[in-house]
Amino acid sequence: TQLLEQSPQFLSIQEGENLTVYCNSSSVFSSLQWYRQEPGEGPVLLVTVVTGGEVKKLKRLTFQFGDARKDSSLHITAAQPGDTGLYLCAGVQAGTALIFGKGTTLSVSS
Amino acid sequence: DSGVTQTPKHLITATGQRVTLRCSPRSGDLSVYWYQQSLDQGLQFLIQYYNGEERAKGNILERFSAQQFPDLHSELNLSSLELGDSALYFCASNPSGGAFYEQYFGPGTRLTVT
Repeated sequence: TQLLEQSPQFLSIQEGENLTVYCNSSSVFSSLQWYRQEPGEGPVLLVTVVTGGEVKKLKRLTFQFGDARKDSSLHITAAQPGDTGLYLCAGVQAGTALIFGKGTTLSVSS
Repeated sequence: DSGVTQTPKHLITATGQRVTLRCSPRSGDLSVYWYQQSLDQGLQFLIQYYNGEERAKGNILERFSAQQFPDLHSELNLSSLELGDSALYFCASNPSGGAFYEQYFGPGTRLTVT
């Protein structure tokens, strides 16, 4: 059983569209991180959210941590081909190592 | 470039064999993490070392072992390899060893077991 469920698994959209990907769990996390991974490379951290209800913005990306700290979402406005990649959420429980979801593969075509 | 290096980039070997993957963390980082990424399981934490000592263990098989040397580089040893061990293996590093803090990932080693 995957501790962190990400949806959708795959997303293929046109440039300029908006999208939201979700990261859900039945467990509480002390913090949650979002990474982006491109083919042939390791994941790169985008953001860390810590407080329930927290919203963070990174240019066209908006990250939200659920009030109960069990879920998170990533919203991309006006997607661009450069946003293509695998988006991974990762939870931290009581200082232990990161627990990753399986990811959402995003493809943005021009 | 994250500053984390991994060698080799690709490795092809046969079932039953043993291989060693090497990781050099970013300069100044004391903690090294090893992960396995496969299509069906995603990115799975294997083991963490901090300043030469094992700090945390995840889903690491008994056939796998790791160590961190005094110069802080780390090696992951995989033995009695099975087809199912084919995967991408990543190492990551950070300065403090706390999972909360950003981990910097290397480019990975792609292992193919035939």
